[in-house]
Amino acid sequence: GNSVTQMEGPVTLSEEAFLTINCTYTATGYPSLFWYVQYPGEGLQLLLKATKADDKGSNKGFEATYRKETTSFHLEKGSVQVSDSAVYFCARLSGSARQLTFGSGTQLTVLP
Amino acid sequence: DTAVSQTPKYLVTQMGNDKSIKCEQNLGHDTMYWYKQDSKKFLKIMFSYNNKELIINETVPNRFSPKSPDKAHLNLHINSLELGDSAVYFCASSQDPGTRDTQYFGPGTRLTVL
Repeated sequence: GNSVTQMEGPVTLSEEAFLTINCTYTATGYPSLFWYVQYPGEGLQLLLKATKADDKGSNKGFEATYRKETTSFHLEKGSVQVSDSAVYFCARLSGSARQLTFGSGTQLTVLP
Repeated sequence: DTAVSQTPKYLVTQMGNDKSIKCEQNLGHDTMYWYKQDSKKFLKIMFSYNNKELIINETVPNRFSPKSPDKAHLNLHINSLELGDSAVYFCASSQDPGTRDTQYFGPGTRLTVL
């Protein structure tokens, strides 16, 4: 079936550190891939997406590249800020399943 | 302008009660969804409607009944609430249920069953 495996948290970094949150997906079909972010007490916001192999999604300094050969969509940011503290969700959208399948979420805390 | 809105934001109720959560989107989208987020932050689809027709109905107790009076609204009614129903419920919408479409989420409704 469709699944998404995400790096377990929590992740704690100092401000300006490099961030990587790993995400892999099952290779069934040709899914679109997403990263959503949930700030404390808020709903999910789309952070970035990629719809086909080798696409790179980017937003607010975050990047992720759709890697079909490794079935991965790792989230990266070169220099995190305290305001990036949130829960990050990787997700895949399959047309046949018509639904988003989420990873388990990774809590990121950035310390000043 | 709020794209996807939900009411109420918080809902505290007793076991056995019946309650509803409302969702509205002003994005002109054709498809709407309900997701449940448990205490460990795990998110799972419950229902999806496309143009007022049910297209996804995951394994959810039949105490949960979605209702879509028009394509801008998808309400969730829950009968005979149980302790395990305590969670955050998110509404979302997208243009269509195809593979490329981004889903936009509401702010969530935190349901606490006592």
